[in-house]
Amino acid sequence: GEDVEQSLFLSVREGDSSVINCTYTDSSSTYLYWYKQEPGAGLQLLTYIFSNMDMKQDQRLTVLLNKKDKHLSLRIADTQTGDSAIYFCAENGGSGNTGKLIFGQGTTLQVKP
Amino acid sequence: DARVTQTPRHKVTEMGQEVTMRCQPILGHNTVFWYRQTMMQGLELLAYFRNRAPLDDSGMPKDRFSAEMPDATLATLKIQPSEPRDSAVYFCASGLRAGEQFFGPGTRLTVL
Repeated sequence: GEDVEQSLFLSVREGDSSVINCTYTDSSSTYLYWYKQEPGAGLQLLTYIFSNMDMKQDQRLTVLLNKKDKHLSLRIADTQTGDSAIYFCAENGGSGNTGKLIFGQGTTLQVKP
Repeated sequence: DARVTQTPRHKVTEMGQEVTMRCQPILGHNTVFWYRQTMMQGLELLAYFRNRAPLDDSGMPKDRFSAEMPDATLATLKIQPSEPRDSAVYFCASGLRAGEQFFGPGTRLTVL
C-alpha cells in the first residue's frame, strides 16, 4: 500500500543547513510535496516537485528527488529560528485526479540559537 | 487574501455530547478534506469531497462521525456521541487541482 516515512526529529544550530529526509513507496506518484506546520496552525504548502525532476531550488529551499530509491529530501540553507516547525512530506501516488495526498508523520525541526 | 476558515477554534465538551465543526473552503475550490491530528497517530485523513459529493470516508468511524457539504461554501463534521479518544485537532483543507491543499487553522477538540 501507500506509505510515506520520515524521521521524527531534527535539531540544528541557527545558520547551519537542515536536511529533512522522506521515503515513499508508491512509484506512480506524479508530484511530491513538502508542507510546513507552525505551532498552533494548519499545514502550509512549502514547495513541491514533479516526479520527472530530480532537483528544485527556491531561495533557501532545495528539494532533491531520487525516484529510483523513492527518496525525497528538503534542504534548508542558513536555517533560522523561524524555520522551527513540523515538516511533512506528501505524495499523490495512485490518487488520479482526486487530490488525495498521503502524508508522512512529520519531522519536527528544532533550531537552536 | 483567500483562506479556509474553521469554527469553532476551540471546543471543550463532555463525553456523550454532540460536536459539530464547520469549515468554509476557499471560494471556487471543489475538493474539501477533513483531517484529524494527534500526537500518537499523526495526521489522519477522515473524509473528502469533490464537487460536494463524498469520495472517500473510509478513515472515519462510521458509527459516530458524519461529514456533509450542505452547499459549496460549508462543510461540516459531526461527532455524536463524542468520546475522550476523539480529542484532537481537526483540520479542514480545500483544493482546486490535484495536490495543492490549503489548510484551515483547525478546531482543537477536548472531550472530557
